[in-house]
Amino acid sequence: DVKVTQSSRYLVKRTGEKVFLECVQDMDHENMFWYRQDPGLGLRLIYFSYDVKMKEKGDIPEGYSVSREKKERFSLILESASTNQTSMYLCASSSIYRDRGQDGYTFGSGTRLTVV
Amino acid sequence: EDKVVQSPLSLVVHEGDTVTLNCSYEVTNFRSLLWYKQEKKAPTFLFMLTSSGIEKKSGRLSSILDKKELFSILNITATQTGDSAVYLCAGKNNNDMRFGAGTRLTVKP
Repeated sequence: DVKVTQSSRYLVKRTGEKVFLECVQDMDHENMFWYRQDPGLGLRLIYFSYDVKMKEKGDIPEGYSVSREKKERFSLILESASTNQTSMYLCASSSIYRDRGQDGYTFGSGTRLTVV
Repeated sequence: EDKVVQSPLSLVVHEGDTVTLNCSYEVTNFRSLLWYKQEKKAPTFLFMLTSSGIEKKSGRLSSILDKKELFSILNITATQTGDSAVYLCAGKNNNDMRFGAGTRLTVKP
């Protein structure tokens, strides 16, 4: 079964810590995305990547950075965690090819991050 | 600015009821409208709609798109408690997908 795997289900970090959220997909997808999900706000795009070493800012990139050194792995980095970054973080991937379900995203199970 | 608006934000019904969830969108270079169901963790794909007026069905769920009015609905007939979830609508262009805030559906026995 194809998968997007996020390394942690729950994380608790202290304010000011550097936090790494890892996402790995085994579908050979070109595109990968990081969203955060907050009640009443839905999913908001933080960053996305359409190729190795390529990245694009989404709607709310401030306070975050990303890394895509290998096609299957897309990391979200909180350089100095703050309490307003407490949220559910969802990773997703998609293919650029129509015959591989181009428009459908496959999501990971999410990482619930709490910053105290 | 691109946006996707879902209504209602939450809905409580009883088993057997029929519900209609609404999604309006303004997405530059719109390509498709997608519906997802999210229970406790990852959203799971329900439908992708690209053409107006063509209903897509999967069991008790169906959805249709109106590209003139920039609107889509998701219908669930004969609801069951297992339908309780957050339903997400998303508008896709060439670059990314913009999500609505979701509709939280609760189906009571």
